[in-house]
Amino acid sequence: DQQVKQNSPSLSVQEGRISILNCDYTNSMFDYFLWYKKYPAEGPTFLISISSIKDKNEDGRFTVFLNKSAKHLSLHIVPSQPGDSAVYFCAVSTSGSARQLTFGSGTQLTVLP
Amino acid sequence: ETGVTQTPRHLVMGMTNKKSLKCEQHLGHNAMYWYKQSAKKPLELMFVYSLEERVENNSVPSRFSPECPNSSHLFLHLHTLQPEDSALYLCASSLQRGGAETQYFGPGTRLLVL
Repeated sequence: DQQVKQNSPSLSVQEGRISILNCDYTNSMFDYFLWYKKYPAEGPTFLISISSIKDKNEDGRFTVFLNKSAKHLSLHIVPSQPGDSAVYFCAVSTSGSARQLTFGSGTQLTVLP
Repeated sequence: ETGVTQTPRHLVMGMTNKKSLKCEQHLGHNAMYWYKQSAKKPLELMFVYSLEERVENNSVPSRFSPECPNSSHLFLHLHTLQPEDSALYLCASSLQRGGAETQYFGPGTRLLVL
């Protein structure tokens, strides 16, 4: 029973356009949400996070949106660049057990030049 | 020196071998983690060490034995592994300050058990 789901295993986007990666979770107790990016043969790299007291957090080209009522998280990348091609994982945790990160299965993003 | 390093990067071992994976963090963090990533599956948390004490063990078989001698170093000792243990093993660290923490990952060790 997956608590965190990334339903799109892959996504292709043209360079310069917006990439939207989605993540759904089941437990309303989750209150901290993160996105990681992973290149082949490397470990996941932290990208951006958001706590449940916010619904949006922006860092340069990356914006994370949180819809608590829908238990839905999304990552927007705009404009997309070929170097953004990687696997993106969402991860969630609760303040009560902040060390327990639960990961989604990942979405492979390919940005086409 | 990069934040979290892991050695070796690749390891091939037989089922009767004993080997160890090493992780070192240079970020001044006080919590360290071992994760397993199998093909087509999400990252699975194996162990958590906080202030050098093991605080979590997610039902990991005893053929995996972690060791945390200090807040900067973490080991995973392997013995009598099975072929299904072949996976990418990732180490991570974080700074505990109460509340939400961001974990930072090493590059991983790609393990193949023959």
